[in-house]
Amino acid sequence: SQQGEEDPQALSIQEGENATMNCSYKTSINNLQWYRQNSGRGLVHLILIRSNEREKHSGRLRVTLDTSKKSSSLLITASRAADTASYFCATDSGAGSYQLTFGKGTKLSVIP
Amino acid sequence: NAGVMQNPRHLVRRRGQEARLRCSPMKGHSHVYWYRQLPEEGLKFMVYLQKENIIDESGMPKERFSAEFPKEGPSILRIQQVVRGDSAAYFCASSTMTGSTYEQYFGPGTRLTVT
Repeated sequence: SQQGEEDPQALSIQEGENATMNCSYKTSINNLQWYRQNSGRGLVHLILIRSNEREKHSGRLRVTLDTSKKSSSLLITASRAADTASYFCATDSGAGSYQLTFGKGTKLSVIP
Repeated sequence: NAGVMQNPRHLVRRRGQEARLRCSPMKGHSHVYWYRQLPEEGLKFMVYLQKENIIDESGMPKERFSAEFPKEGPSILRIQQVVRGDSAAYFCASSTMTGSTYEQYFGPGTRLTVT
């Protein structure tokens, strides 16, 4: 599998429910970032979590990072129809690298 | 403060033609990155530039592709003699400094279709 691989590939939930997406990676990292992409649009930065952090919150978003398992999760609580988008995790390749490596993303559909 | 600007948003080229994609970074950002996204895929790093310098082009195909970031004006990604496999979304990002602790701000992308 490639660095920064999201799971599931697609997720469909009802408005108000929570959505959890996972990301696994292979090599050591400095930071892991989550981005959102609305259909046919650019990427919007959601949150950055450093390798020495275990959990981070931003509004309805909660990100966890487990460096021993090389995995991260993104939780969106109380989802809204406007959260419908693709979500990508991006990792650097360590040593302060500027090269972000993205997975294929999770397509989230929130049904009103 | 305007975000990263890319133009055109959509570009259609016939096989063999040239494609020129432009990117104006955010004000105050001197680091520019180009990424390519194939359909149903994540973004793949292509090239990293600073003003008048190509720092890392390890993700860019050796032939037909070139990039520049002149002292004045936008960064340009140039694809010569396009082929159908070049059809993708090309995203530009910029940052104030480089390194993974500095957020890269992405533009809306240019969707290239080669017919």
